[in-house]
Amino acid sequence: KAGVTQTPRYLIKTRGQQVTLSCSPISGHRSVSWYQQTPGQGLQFLFEYFSETQRNKGNFPGRFSGRQFSNSRSEMNVSTLELGDSALYLCASRPDSRSYNSPLHFGNGTRLTVT
Amino acid sequence: KNQVEQSPQSLIILEGKNCTLQCNYTVSPFSNLRWYKQDTGRGPVSLTIMTFSENTKSNGRYTATLDADTKQSSLHITASQLSDSASYICVVSGAAGNKLTFGGGTRVLVKP
Repeated sequence: KAGVTQTPRYLIKTRGQQVTLSCSPISGHRSVSWYQQTPGQGLQFLFEYFSETQRNKGNFPGRFSGRQFSNSRSEMNVSTLELGDSALYLCASRPDSRSYNSPLHFGNGTRLTVT
Repeated sequence: KNQVEQSPQSLIILEGKNCTLQCNYTVSPFSNLRWYKQDTGRGPVSLTIMTFSENTKSNGRYTATLDADTKQSSLHITASQLSDSASYICVVSGAAGNKLTFGGGTRVLVKP
């Protein structure tokens, strides 16, 4: 079974621009969640989607948004990029949003650098 | 405020030796506690998941323990190998398991 796939792997953007990151979950997994990882803050939860609906949201500004498509693939968008948005963005999938005791399966992330 | 504290922040051990990583949490109510291993440049990979009723779980040379009364967990690595060099992240699930709180991780370096 293929794992979680995130594209692109690396991205360099300029302040003020916007960016869209993509995540394809494991086949059959319907829940997709997004995380930001920085050296200073560690891993922080952004949001979770299930059946094209946002189920949970972390404490990030409205510049961070996402969506999920009918095939469970998900995209995350960050508008008006700031230098502090430079981070590793990780996507994870699990069978459904109520599979609380099942592990999250992470992709290898998108490394975003904002200059 | 829900928090997960890991210690130490980093450690260096010699190949073949054992080590123990600590995780203390204040998350309440509690659903489960997970340990993940993250190699440099890769996404985290699940090692163990423990619910309230479980106090130990093993995955090969990795053994996790949980004391839900004191809200403490540990991850023990036995006979370390060079491939164990990674960050280890403790994650606690709160109510209904849908609220995750992450620890800052412990970076382990295994030297030959």
